[in-house]
Amino acid sequence: AQKITQTQPGMFVQEKEAVTLDCTYDTSDQSYGLFWYKQPSSGEMIFLIYQGSYDEQNATEGRYSLNFQKARKSANLVISASQLGDSAMYFCAMRPGYSGGYQKVTFGTGTKLQVIP
Amino acid sequence: DSGVTQTPKHLITATGQRVTLRCSPRSGDLSVYWYQQSLDQGLQFLIQYYNGEERAKGNILERFSAQQFPDLHSELNLSSLELGDSALYFCASSVAIRLAGDKNTGELFFGEGSRLTVL
Repeated sequence: AQKITQTQPGMFVQEKEAVTLDCTYDTSDQSYGLFWYKQPSSGEMIFLIYQGSYDEQNATEGRYSLNFQKARKSANLVISASQLGDSAMYFCAMRPGYSGGYQKVTFGTGTKLQVIP
Repeated sequence: DSGVTQTPKHLITATGQRVTLRCSPRSGDLSVYWYQQSLDQGLQFLIQYYNGEERAKGNILERFSAQQFPDLHSELNLSSLELGDSALYFCASSVAIRLAGDKNTGELFFGEGSRLTVL
């Protein structure tokens, strides 16, 4: 069974500073994918970044980067130069690799990030 | 716009009633997922369908049922509603990962959610 753990229920960051949101995972699969999603107060789920388990480079998307440490089973999200609009709930998620159509995607409990002006 | 359509966006009903939530996946996506998000909580996986067949089941109550139709839209039926069923219900769709190393990310594309309030 796959499990995602986010140990930071809430975090504060000063505007323009960088912040790291922690995510650890547990799986026996060799192939898997890791995601981060953002949920603003309006409620929609916004995809931010993806990391495949066989990707050698850490994923980056604009101000978002994923610090992937496979041996430690961690996939932390780094947001650089925080903006007020980054205030939201952030979820880490995992899917299995080869699925043949079966693909239960497991989400962590989320981290609520608040950016302070 | 994710391409996933959920209706209704808001629904208010009474305990004991039955409601149906509807989801149309992105064009070409065969997989549909349902998640429940209660107030200030994470996403609880309910059920997944792939091309009309149930493929994975989470902590879905027996009062809840779902199906995916031949045109790939899906419906989540919630019956004998209780106050605790009040939540945001998300539908998501994705492509299936066919082989290990498949370059598709398998990213979930979420609808805007259906907010159910049970009074």
